[in-house]
Amino acid sequence: DAGVIQSPRHEVTEMGQEVTLRCKPISGHNSLFWYRQTMMRGLELLIYFNNNVPIDDSGMPEDRFSAKMPNASFSTLKIQPSEPRDSAVYFCASSSYSRNEKLFFGSGTQLSVL
Amino acid sequence: AQKITQTQPGMFVQEKEAVTLDCTYDTSDQSYGLFWYKQPSSGEMIFLIYQGSYDEQNATEGRYSLNFQKARKSANLVISASQLGDSAMYFCAMREGGTGGFKTIFGAGTRLFVKA
Repeated sequence: DAGVIQSPRHEVTEMGQEVTLRCKPISGHNSLFWYRQTMMRGLELLIYFNNNVPIDDSGMPEDRFSAKMPNASFSTLKIQPSEPRDSAVYFCASSSYSRNEKLFFGSGTQLSVL
Repeated sequence: AQKITQTQPGMFVQEKEAVTLDCTYDTSDQSYGLFWYKQPSSGEMIFLIYQGSYDEQNATEGRYSLNFQKARKSANLVISASQLGDSAMYFCAMREGGTGGFKTIFGAGTRLFVKA
C-alpha cells in the first residue's frame, strides 16, 4: 500500500491567498483526520471524518478553515484567506476500525504564509 | 474532557541505557486507547505502541514497553537499550471511546536526546 499521500509537500503563499491542502487516505480506512503542528501549540486535531462524514470540527480555528471529504479516497483542507499565523505543518492521517485504530500519517504539508 | 500531559520537554539518555518518558491522561470514559508515536527530525510520525484500557498486561513492542498504571492514569513509555537513532520527539496520545472511529488527541511531546 502506498500509505497516506498528501500534497503539496511544501506551500509558500502570500497573506490573503487561498490555500488548498490535499490528502489521499489508505484504501479501506474508515476515518480521516487533519492535524496542525506548530512549536507553540503542538499537534492539534482540526477535524475528523468517519466514512466521509465530518464528525467533529471543533478544532477548526476559524471560519477561514474548511474541510471536505467528497469520497473515501480524497479530502481537502482549505484556508481562505490565509494569514501568517496559519504557517504550520498540516498532517493528514487515516485509520481503520480495528482493535487499536492506530493512525497512519502522511508526510505532512509545510505551509508558509508570508 | 480528554487531556494528555507530558511534563518532560526534553530528556537525555546515554546510549545503551534505558529511559522512561512520562505520560498522564485524563478521561471519564471507561474504554479508551493509549498510544506512543515517534517523530524523528525528518518529520514523519511513526506508531510505536498501543495499550487498551481493558488490557491487563502492559504492551511491549521490541525495545518499547508501556508502563500502564490505570488507577494513576499514567502510560509511561520505556525504551530499553537506547540507540542513537532513538533521538527524536515522542508523543503520547489517547483515543477516547471504543473502536469505531473516535478522535485521537496528542500530548505536547518529549524530545529525547541519546548521547554516544
